[in-house]
Amino acid sequence: QKEVEQDPGPLSVPEGAIVSLNCTYSNSAFQYFMWYRQYSRKGPELLMYTYSSGNKEDGRFTAQVDKSSKYISLFIRDSQPSDSATYLCAMTFRGGGNKLTFGTGTQLKVEL
Amino acid sequence: GAVVSQHPSWVICKSGTSVKIECRSLDFQATTMFWYRQFPKQSLMLMATSNEGSKATYEQGVEKDKFLINHASLTLSTLTVTSAHPEDSSFYICSVDLLGSSYNEQFFGPGTRLTVL
Repeated sequence: QKEVEQDPGPLSVPEGAIVSLNCTYSNSAFQYFMWYRQYSRKGPELLMYTYSSGNKEDGRFTAQVDKSSKYISLFIRDSQPSDSATYLCAMTFRGGGNKLTFGTGTQLKVEL
Repeated sequence: GAVVSQHPSWVICKSGTSVKIECRSLDFQATTMFWYRQFPKQSLMLMATSNEGSKATYEQGVEKDKFLINHASLTLSTLTVTSAHPEDSSFYICSVDLLGSSYNEQFFGPGTRLTVL
């Protein structure tokens, strides 16, 4: 079993839709949770970071963490074609040598 | 955030040759840099942690004699793929660890696509 599971998609939605991206994890030691966006043939860029259970909002993006269920989500409101990318969840824990464990990434396509 | 560059962005080489990839932190000093490898439609897999002035720490299953890492300064780390083979063809990405961050924030370079013929 992988430490972090993420549905690879692809996920196709119409412009303006609400997108829900999810990851589950098995290591209860994970404390910090991140979402990265990666465009084709580019390096990942950090979108959201959270460390506690609950919701964190930044513009059209909301990150949600449920530590009891070992489940994290990223919601994108009013999705745009420019949101088309691969979204990777990542997580780590303090004292873990700053190493990130990534999910496989979900490929998202927002269509006009 | 931090600006990280990689050079080259794309390289093709013959089997058996060595290829050097550079990772530079352009706007701040990075004590720690990380090297990842990403195969098509797969996630990033950490290869090694590069610390300035000391030997790199390799993840299990990564051959340290094949993937040579040098972190000679606080702004530059290099990854050399020695005696490259077609199975080494991949997307290599570096990241830098932001000093002073309250959590493990990393900023990634744009990646280097290696194709071994």
